[in-house]
Amino acid sequence: GAGVSQSPSNKVTEKGKDVELRCDPISGHTALYWYRQSLGQGLEFLIYFQGNSAPDKSGLPSDRFSAERTGGSVSTLTIQRTQQEDSAVYLCASSAGPGYEQYFGPGTRLTVT
Amino acid sequence: GESVGLHLPTLSVQEGDNSIINCAYSNSASDYFIWYKQESGKGPQFIIDIRSNMDKRQGQRVTVLLNKTVKHLSLQIAATQPGDSAVYFCAETVPNSGYSTLTFGKGTMLLVSP
Repeated sequence: GAGVSQSPSNKVTEKGKDVELRCDPISGHTALYWYRQSLGQGLEFLIYFQGNSAPDKSGLPSDRFSAERTGGSVSTLTIQRTQQEDSAVYLCASSAGPGYEQYFGPGTRLTVT
Repeated sequence: GESVGLHLPTLSVQEGDNSIINCAYSNSASDYFIWYKQESGKGPQFIIDIRSNMDKRQGQRVTVLLNKTVKHLSLQIAATQPGDSAVYFCAETVPNSGYSTLTFGKGTMLLVSP
């Protein structure tokens, strides 16, 4: 079946602009996660959605970052007023529930110029 | 041999060798650990996991060892193949997050020469 998909695969934006990154999880997966991976670094947790519960936003680095998940499926990560330090690969993962194996998408490479 | 590159520690091996990738974790409350493989341009892929009530778990060509006393995890890959070349990450999680929030290590790059 289809895995986790993300779009766009690459995004170049100017400093100060807003960007939206999209994640389509595996059908039926109730849990969805966003991570950020800077060059040569491990993954940094950003936000976690589980079903209809309030999301765990504890990893969001600033109030410029927000995410929503509509209808328990597709999620959008929004970064407002982008800064150069926001340049990274943004990875989305989904799982059948908390504690189940997380399946990752290919990521969106964001470059802020 | 093993060397520290600009960003990632790197392990270079010959095809057919056994590889050992090490990871030190930070949270003594972590009780579930996972190894991921990340190939260039792709998202991480699950390899093997282990819970803290075990000290060893084997999969196909891979073995994970857990030493809770020194908070150390290792991934052993037998008969390493060129297709094993990738960055390997360990991840830990704690029960009070519902095992949902993973904390990743910085990763080790494995380079396998034919």
